[in-house]
Amino acid sequence: GQNIDQPTEMTATEGAIVQINCTYQTSGFNGLFWYQQHAGEAPTFLSYNVLDGLEEKGRFSSFLSRSKGYSYLLLKELQMKDSASYLCAVMGRNTDKLIFGTGTRLQVFP
Amino acid sequence: KAGVTQTPRYLIKTRGQQVTLSCSPISGHRSVSWYQQTPGQGLQFLFEYFSETQRNKGNFPGRFSGRQFSNSRSEMNVSTLELGDSALYLCASSLSQGSTDTQYFGPGTRLTVL
Repeated sequence: GQNIDQPTEMTATEGAIVQINCTYQTSGFNGLFWYQQHAGEAPTFLSYNVLDGLEEKGRFSSFLSRSKGYSYLLLKELQMKDSASYLCAVMGRNTDKLIFGTGTRLQVFP
Repeated sequence: KAGVTQTPRYLIKTRGQQVTLSCSPISGHRSVSWYQQTPGQGLQFLFEYFSETQRNKGNFPGRFSGRQFSNSRSEMNVSTLELGDSALYLCASSLSQGSTDTQYFGPGTRLTVL
């Protein structure tokens, strides 16, 4: 079967760093995506990892370990506008479709 | 370049009715995927269309169907609506089929079934 796990909720303080973890079990692997979704809005693309290691994009970084079926999204210098749900999604090699986790709702406090 | 558009944005129906939702992908994108999002289940894959053909299908009953037109616009239809069909329906477009191309989401259609 296919399973993606991520924490349901997290809280952090403005200016801090937060790490959102995602573990997955899928039929094959063809890449992992992170999306950000503000309440009432569509998910927007943040990052894509297909090889092991860290991908950095401004304040956001995403890490992948294929052998461990594990990824994390790192958000630095948190801002209030970062309060949103963060969705981890995996593209399975044999399914050619994105499987999403249920998302992690991040609340940033002043 | 315009983003993915979905119509209508909000819809209220009653049990037993049917509904058709529309999605226009980003210009040049040929793949359209549909998802159902509910608070408890998260984003669930419904189906994907590429070149007017359904390429992938999720685990939803046959009441859920879709199609894609030659201009890549897509529609999804839900027949005999049930209360549990209340959800946000999102479509996403990408350049090609089922690859690692990034999917770009539309704003969604919020369907409420009474």
